[in-house]
Amino acid sequence: EVRLVESGGDLVQPGGSLRLSCAGSGFTFDIYWMSWVRQAPGKGLEWVANINEDGSAKAHVDSVKGRLTISRDNAKNSLYLQMSSLRVEDTAVYYCVRDIPGGASYFDAWGQGTLVTVSS
Amino acid sequence: IVMTQSPATLSVSPGERATLSCRASRGVGSRLAWYQQKPGQAPRLLIYDASIRATGIPARFSGSGSGTDFTLTISSLQSEDSAVYYCQNYGAFGQGTKVEIK
Repeated sequence: EVRLVESGGDLVQPGGSLRLSCAGSGFTFDIYWMSWVRQAPGKGLEWVANINEDGSAKAHVDSVKGRLTISRDNAKNSLYLQMSSLRVEDTAVYYCVRDIPGGASYFDAWGQGTLVTVSS
Repeated sequence: IVMTQSPATLSVSPGERATLSCRASRGVGSRLAWYQQKPGQAPRLLIYDASIRATGIPARFSGSGSGTDFTLTISSLQSEDSAVYYCQNYGAFGQGTKVEIK
């Protein structure tokens, strides 16, 4: 069974930092692109970042560039999102997602999400 | 690119057909996916490449379209289909259509 389990969400003050983690199991982690998708409370879905199989290629949505950084450790079957200079508008549930092979960014496996709340 | 979904809310009786629309601000070929999200749950991939059902998705869900205009059809609505449905092209999601059971 494919499983993605996120952790690290918390309440943090504006300007603060946080590191989200995602543990993958039940599949060969290092042959998949992976992404983070977030959802603000009561709102729609927003793609945040993706990373290729070996971590050599990354992309981030403009609104988070320079503040949120995606990375992975294939030896640990883990995906990360390093978050700094957090803003109130970063408040959301963050989902770790697996991309279908083929490069079209279709997300066929989702974690349960971890909540990040940015508030003073 | 901007993805625009309509209607915002759709109310359909059980057993009836539900038709959801998604329009891209420019042509995207067939690079389009549909997701279903129920309250308190993560989204689930229904359709990719505009018309291919993902693994385990019932046949009552079908997708069509290419270029800028796409449709998700639920041929005979079941009570468990009450959810928000999103279309997606690469990093762009639509704002969602909420399907309610009459």
